[in-house]
Amino acid sequence: DAKTTQPNSMESNEEEPVHLPCNHSTISGTDYIHWYRQLPSQGPEYVIHGLTSNVNNRMASLAIAEDRKSSTLILHRATLRDAAVYYCILGRYGQNFVFGPGTRLSVLP
Amino acid sequence: DTGVSQNPRHKITKRGQNVTFRCDPISEHNRLYWYRQTLGQGPEFLTYFQNEAQLEKSRLLSDRFSAERPKGSFSTLEIQRTEQGDSAMYLCASSSRETQYFGPGTRLLVL
Repeated sequence: DAKTTQPNSMESNEEEPVHLPCNHSTISGTDYIHWYRQLPSQGPEYVIHGLTSNVNNRMASLAIAEDRKSSTLILHRATLRDAAVYYCILGRYGQNFVFGPGTRLSVLP
Repeated sequence: DTGVSQNPRHKITKRGQNVTFRCDPISEHNRLYWYRQTLGQGPEFLTYFQNEAQLEKSRLLSDRFSAERPKGSFSTLEIQRTEQGDSAMYLCASSSRETQYFGPGTRLLVL
């Protein structure tokens, strides 16, 4: 069973920020929080990951709650190319990932 | 681009035939994973290697499936006596730390 809970779908307007939530109440102290996205007929693409502190990279930001039981992926300005299924996954080195159904993000022009 | 590569990208076969897929991980990544993804679902773990050793196999990996990583570099996944239920996207990922990097996948269609 997936160890994370995400909304099935979300919508955003182009050029607006998007906040994708993820709940992971059973997270352990050594679990990293990973975010991937997947376009149709492609492999999952790494977006960002973190352990305790908020993280930023060129693609997105990751905000992690203080108790680590939830996190939010932030796309600062959504584009049409950001439309994808976004997966929030808990994992650590050497452990296989357990994917849930993810959140299907639609971006409206 | 030195990401994970998979070949072939697409495979159509008839039920009962054997198929083999190849995965070339990112160089120096010692861990290699195989996943399977059916339409509308997230990827499901099949097996993983650390160097040449196969360390874990999912119960999804029936005895018709076999995976190898002979020299700790590329890996092959073979499916014998394919069934229509084997139709899926087969994904490979590699890692050297906590993040896995995925290849583009091989889409298998069993007729």
